[in-house]
Amino acid sequence: SYVLTQPPSVSVAPGKTARISCGGNDIESKSVHWYQQKPGQAPVLVIYYDRDRPSGIPARISGSNSGNTATLTVSRVEAGDEADYYCQVWDSTSDHMVFGGGTKLTVL
Amino acid sequence: QVQLQESGPGLVKPSETLSLTCTVSGYSISSAYYWGWIRQPPGKGLEWIGSVYHTGTTDYNPSLRIRLSMSLDTSKNQFSLKLTSVTATDSAVYFCARVLATVRAFDIWGQGTMVTVSS
Repeated sequence: SYVLTQPPSVSVAPGKTARISCGGNDIESKSVHWYQQKPGQAPVLVIYYDRDRPSGIPARISGSNSGNTATLTVSRVEAGDEADYYCQVWDSTSDHMVFGGGTKLTVL
Repeated sequence: QVQLQESGPGLVKPSETLSLTCTVSGYSISSAYYWGWIRQPPGKGLEWIGSVYHTGTTDYNPSLRIRLSMSLDTSKNQFSLKLTSVTATDSAVYFCARVLATVRAFDIWGQGTMVTVSS
């Protein structure tokens, strides 16, 4: 089955840029989606189809996908961005959905 | 706006069947979209359980397939999950969600419900 690999944690100072990676074999051939989950809450879709933002998601949050790595970028990080972030794809060959293990973003 | 709400027992005994329902408001589940279930054990990551298309077609996580069934009840605008022969490893927060059909992204989530498997 398809595997997505994320770093367990990323730390960044307020106002700086955080980049969270999501690795997978030839991931650029798949659509990657990203979710933000704060403690005790349901996940929220923040990026879909590699780089599209749902309504209400600030432009500070962006996505890219190339080769074997997709990246979520959070610019001008704020304290409120501290959360767990998960990448997810649909493996069309097996018709299954897969999540990465999640990355905890800490704002220093 | 579209809202999803999970319901079901919070405690299930080992070897019994876990049954959950997701009630959808603001949209008819028979119109379009996939509808999915995701779970999250305490302190751990997200795991896709399965999805059901508005036509009733299902896709299941292969690790759960043998114990899992999902269905739609369009008359009540609900979809449901049944997981048989549960063990403590099935203890988790269970989320239902709407799935964008073209890219299979979960765009709207329920708040989640904690299910504990214990005698």
